[in-house]
Amino acid sequence: DTAVSQTPKYLVTQMGNDKSIKCEQNLGHDTMYWYKQDSKKFLKIMFSYNNKELIINETVPNRFSPKSPDKAHLNLHINSLELGDSAVYFCASSQWGLGTGELFFGEGSRLTVL
Amino acid sequence: DQQVKQNSPSLSVQEGRISILNCDYTNSMFDYFLWYKKYPAEGPTFLISISSIKDKNEDGRFTVFLNKSAKHLSLHIVPSQPGDSAVYFCAALRSSGANSKLTFGKGITLSVRP
Repeated sequence: DTAVSQTPKYLVTQMGNDKSIKCEQNLGHDTMYWYKQDSKKFLKIMFSYNNKELIINETVPNRFSPKSPDKAHLNLHINSLELGDSAVYFCASSQWGLGTGELFFGEGSRLTVL
Repeated sequence: DQQVKQNSPSLSVQEGRISILNCDYTNSMFDYFLWYKKYPAEGPTFLISISSIKDKNEDGRFTVFLNKSAKHLSLHIVPSQPGDSAVYFCAALRSSGANSKLTFGKGITLSVRP
């Protein structure tokens, strides 16, 4: 009964391909996020959704398209993959407004673009 | 522009001794500061937080100190245990309703030697 689960854990693909990562949370949270951890190890926010509505879009290339079919799911689709997209992508959820800052993360999806 | 900085990439301490992990920030508008802990192949998990109006928060073996004038916080773990070996991320929260977001440092790897 994992609180935030994301699939797949690992993706290896060629440049130019399209891939998707799925995320689901069973915590009843209203807000979900995608974070990217690149080779420099920084965790950077990409998107946040509140109850299916896009709230934060941190100047991510439009090849990245999040989709939230309902407030428990936030999927990430990436078109025309580039080498620089290789990273670990973390899904997370929180109560509305982040409260005192507690995020609940999934285990991460490691994307390798060859 | 790194608003949250963890300048030491790693720290090694002996079991039973104190671990002190440091973090600096540049934005005086942050409302909360948090520490997250991450084991390999897992997502970060919340460890402890402190409000910007406090200077100390303690939870068992973990204590966070905040020095607002120096824009510096530190996490003390005492006594350190081998199970504390992990990557520790410092994070800062700017509360702004639905637009609230956490800014992370790049983490410090703590190794506790038996």
